[in-house]
Parts: sequence; structure tokens; C-alpha cells
Amino acid sequence: EAEVAQSPRYKITEKSQAVAFWCDPISGHATLYWYRQILGQGPELLVQFQDESVVDDSQLPKDRFSAERLKGVDSTLKIQPAELGDSAMYLCASSWPGTSGGNEQFFGPGTRLTVL
Amino acid sequence: QQQVKQSPQSLIVQKGGISIINCAYENTAFDYFPWYQQFPGKGPALLIAIRPDVSEKKEGRFTISFNKSAKQFSLHIMDSQPGDSATYFCAARGGSNYKLTFGKGTLLTVNP
Repeated sequence: EAEVAQSPRYKITEKSQAVAFWCDPISGHATLYWYRQILGQGPELLVQFQDESVVDDSQLPKDRFSAERLKGVDSTLKIQPAELGDSAMYLCASSWPGTSGGNEQFFGPGTRLTVL
Repeated sequence: QQQVKQSPQSLIVQKGGISIINCAYENTAFDYFPWYQQFPGKGPALLIAIRPDVSEKKEGRFTISFNKSAKQFSLHIMDSQPGDSATYFCAARGGSNYKLTFGKGTLLTVNP
């Protein structure tokens, strides 16, 4: 069964350091999402890609966060510099056939970030 | 502004009982209402979903009830099992990019 892959699964870093997360969506999925899930809360969308283009980054803290999906396949989310409040689970999801239709989002296992 | 309100925050049910989780939304433009199940250390997985033109959808032991006029929907888990113990999130989709807005989640514990 196809799955969304994410790495690393866990990351511990010190504040002010840079961190990067990688996501490989299900093959053929045009839409890719990055979510942040704070402990005890639901996922909150950070950025949404349609192929290689950003279609929604309204909740992305652009002073420290960046995301790219250069070839429209896998994606990287970066935080620089990391702050204590960035400690959370970072989830990647993908969907097909895009932003229309059924739009079922398939989630990866997430990257648990701890900032010390 | 929280657009999807979920309750209760936690729920304890005996094996074989019925688990009920409620959600309310504000935005009448939402057009798709999924429920996700999340186990510790895992990403959320789609459990069941409904569109607003249907009042009820059933898949096995899981049923969504939808009340469009009240802007509320709920998840019913019949014959709850210990393996159902997880966090459940309701969500609603809307906007130009079909964005999902999630509730805060309900931690369900089913005692054997």
C-alpha cells in the first residue's frame, strides 16, 4: 500500500539552530500539505502545494519557515532559526487529483521536533 | 478563530458501549466533513467522511450523523473496542483551495 514517507521521525535541536524535514508523497499525488500539530491540538495547515506551486502559505511564519517542492514531487520544510515554541509534530499529507474532487488527504507518520 | 469546535476533549467508554463525539462548525461554505483517527506516534488516517447533502453515513461500526441546519455533525462508534482507543479529529473542508480545518481532537479510551 502506498504511503507518505517522512524523515526524520524524530529531531532534537537547540534553539537558534536550523532544521529540515523531508516528505515524499504518494506517487501521482499533485497536492502536498505541511501541517503542524501541537500536542493536544488538531493539525494546522502551514503550506499547501499544487505540483511545484504554493497555493496557500497564509499560516506559514515566513520569517523563519520555508518550504519548497522544486520538481513537484518530494518536499522540504525548513526552520531557521528554531525557537522553543516550534516544538511540535510536523505532518506531511498528499492528495489526488488535486484540490478538487474527493480530496482525501493521506498523512505521513510525522516528524516529532523538540527544541531545547 | 476556531471554525470547528469538537467535544468532548476526552471520553472513556466500556467495551461494547457507544462512543459519541460531536463537532460544530461556523462556515456554511464547508462542503466535506471527514473524521480522522490518530494513534500515538502515527499520522491521522481517514476514518469516514460525509457531504452536507446526506444526513447520515454508516461504515461498519462507524456512523456520521449530520445536521446541516444546526451546523453540527457527530461520530458514533458502536460496539466500541479497546482497539478503537485513539484520538479522533473532525474536520471541515472549504475555501478556494479546499483547505481542511481540524477540531482539537477527542482522546477516546475504551476499557476492556
